[in-house]
Amino acid sequence: GESVGLHLPTLSVQEGDNSIINCAYSNSASDYFIWYKQESGKGPQFIIDIRSNMDKRQGQRVTVLLNKTVKHLSLQIAATQPGDSAVYFCAENIQGGKLIFGQGTELSVKP
Amino acid sequence: DAGVTQSPTHLIKTRGQQVTLRCSPKSGHDTVSWYQQALGQGPQFIFQYYEEEERQRGNFPDRFSGHQFPNYSSELNVNALLLGDSALYLCASSLPGQLLSYGYTFGSGTRLTVV
Repeated sequence: GESVGLHLPTLSVQEGDNSIINCAYSNSASDYFIWYKQESGKGPQFIIDIRSNMDKRQGQRVTVLLNKTVKHLSLQIAATQPGDSAVYFCAENIQGGKLIFGQGTELSVKP
Repeated sequence: DAGVTQSPTHLIKTRGQQVTLRCSPKSGHDTVSWYQQALGQGPQFIFQYYEEEERQRGNFPDRFSGHQFPNYSSELNVNALLLGDSALYLCASSLPGQLLSYGYTFGSGTRLTVV
């Protein structure tokens, strides 16, 4: 499969700090990218998206950056809160709804 | 407004058995996609159904099959279960041609354990 590894990378931050989660994608033809948040026992929840013709998009407390040259995405979360603790996945759209997910990063926020 | 509903939430099956998982899409959605998420990994695309037909398929064997009903609900069937089929099975619904973003909604999944 496209996802490998049994142990998720972990990012631990202090409440109130900014968090940056990185992701490398695989397909140069991908035209759309999405960040999802997944809490324990739940399905992925949409956070923010970006089209391939953009390099930055901002939402409420979140910013996504896209670098197509090196096929890299990042998610920035401002003023991280305990409720932000979850696993974060980037996903690339290959063909109309066929999403390829990255491995994921576990974000742990210390109060 | 109910989101995507999946049943059952948990299931234990024996190796070699067959299993059927069910998904009801979000109201107004007519396209259903299924994903398999192994522990500690990202979801992997299994297939997508629209107008009661399989439209796209990921890299999964023929043991994995599906169906979509006229009311847009869907089933995922797995035959000859293997231990490696143990995973969280996620269903996502959407509208065709709609930008994925807010319109692509996941259910909470069915946790399948094969023993």
